[in-house]
Amino acid sequence: KQEVTQIPAALSVPEGENLVLNCSFTDSAIYNLQWFRQDPGKGLTSLLLIQSSQREQTSGRLNASLDKSSGRSTLYIAASQPGDSATYLCAVRTSGTYKYIFGTGTRLKVLA
Amino acid sequence: NAGVTQTPKFRVLKTGQSMTLLCAQDMNHEYMYWYRQDPGMGLRLIHYSVGEGTTAKGEVPDGYNVSRLKKQNFLLGLESAAPSQTSVYFCASISASYNEQFFGPGTRLTVL
Repeated sequence: KQEVTQIPAALSVPEGENLVLNCSFTDSAIYNLQWFRQDPGKGLTSLLLIQSSQREQTSGRLNASLDKSSGRSTLYIAASQPGDSATYLCAVRTSGTYKYIFGTGTRLKVLA
Repeated sequence: NAGVTQTPKFRVLKTGQSMTLLCAQDMNHEYMYWYRQDPGMGLRLIHYSVGEGTTAKGEVPDGYNVSRLKKQNFLLGLESAAPSQTSVYFCASISASYNEQFFGPGTRLTVL
């Protein structure tokens, strides 16, 4: 059974710092992995989608990497800003299924 | 292009009452999903559908029923609401060719 873990649960950093968020999964036979952002009381906004055959994806200041063999994905945020403050979630779809398993998220606070 | 919409946005029910949550998408996506989000537990999959007329159980299907009579709509029903079903419910849709999940804004349900 696929299990997805995100550590740490919460993180505070000063503005301008580069940071890395972690997502670990137990079954390396994944179909894809997606990173989301969720603001308080809002829905989920897709940030990056990594297919199984890809090693990384980039969008602006965000870079997501995927290492299936070690069961890990990282989301790198460059030059963090207060507007980046939100909860970041990863979701994994295991090969051969249509189901997505979510981590419990990392709550990020960027201090001005 | 409205994306994924959910109706209603808020609802308060008494124990034993029934209701239906509506999810609609205008992106011609094949797959649709219902999740619930509870504090500290992340998003958990309730039911999903990979095409019109088809549905399948997710991680936490008990107490819920679903129907997908039209490709663009996915309905989630609670036949006899219980306080344990107090949660925020999210709907998502995915294109079978690209697999990026798009989420609706959520429905906040309270069962007294």
